[in-house]
Amino acid sequence: DTAVSQTPKYLVTQMGNDKSIKCEQNLGHDTMYWYKQDSKKFLKIMFSYNNKELIINETVPNRFSPKSPDKAHLNLHINSLELGDSAVYFCASRPQGSWEQYFGPGTRLTVT
Amino acid sequence: AQSVAQPEDQVNVAEGNPLTVKCTYSVSGNPYLFWYVQYPNRGLQFLLKYITGDNLVKGSYGFEAEFNKSQTSFHLKKPSALVSDSALYFCAVRDSESGGYQKVTFGTGTKLQVIP
Repeated sequence: DTAVSQTPKYLVTQMGNDKSIKCEQNLGHDTMYWYKQDSKKFLKIMFSYNNKELIINETVPNRFSPKSPDKAHLNLHINSLELGDSAVYFCASRPQGSWEQYFGPGTRLTVT
Repeated sequence: AQSVAQPEDQVNVAEGNPLTVKCTYSVSGNPYLFWYVQYPNRGLQFLLKYITGDNLVKGSYGFEAEFNKSQTSFHLKKPSALVSDSALYFCAVRDSESGGYQKVTFGTGTKLQVIP
């Protein structure tokens, strides 16, 4: 199926650990995003890449580092996890020339 | 900064009745407005957009939205609600300050509950 996929779906880890979330889209889109949705369902953009180039970098702690090995993949690495990092992280992609974003199913990160 | 406001945390409507989910916007320049829906434990899905043209925009699943410049509103509507429409609805606006990078800012979301 064509889609935006994320792994893992659930991630439970302890404070201080380092973890990664992976995102892949097989839609041929040029632009990808990472969003954070908190417990109140507020959705905030974190990063955006266009053809492997970082184009949007919101005020995010530098413990968060995105990496785009190719335009179909955008991974998110988080160092020294904190309790406040607990959230659902969504990856999204967008085709060139369109405003419609296609979202992945989300990764629920729980930091204990 | 561009922003949208969704004044209602939750909207309850009986199945078969018309529904409205409210959104107001604050932008400099021409507004680019969007609606997305999030079903439980799923990612957001695009419903519709207003860029220019007719004030009544039709989208997916029978939804439409009415752009009203004088009231700076972009309310989502559907003539007859289904139980399956129960979900979280997000209004969003283009952030024109992001240049050509097509960043959007999402509202706080409105939970729609359709009662059988």
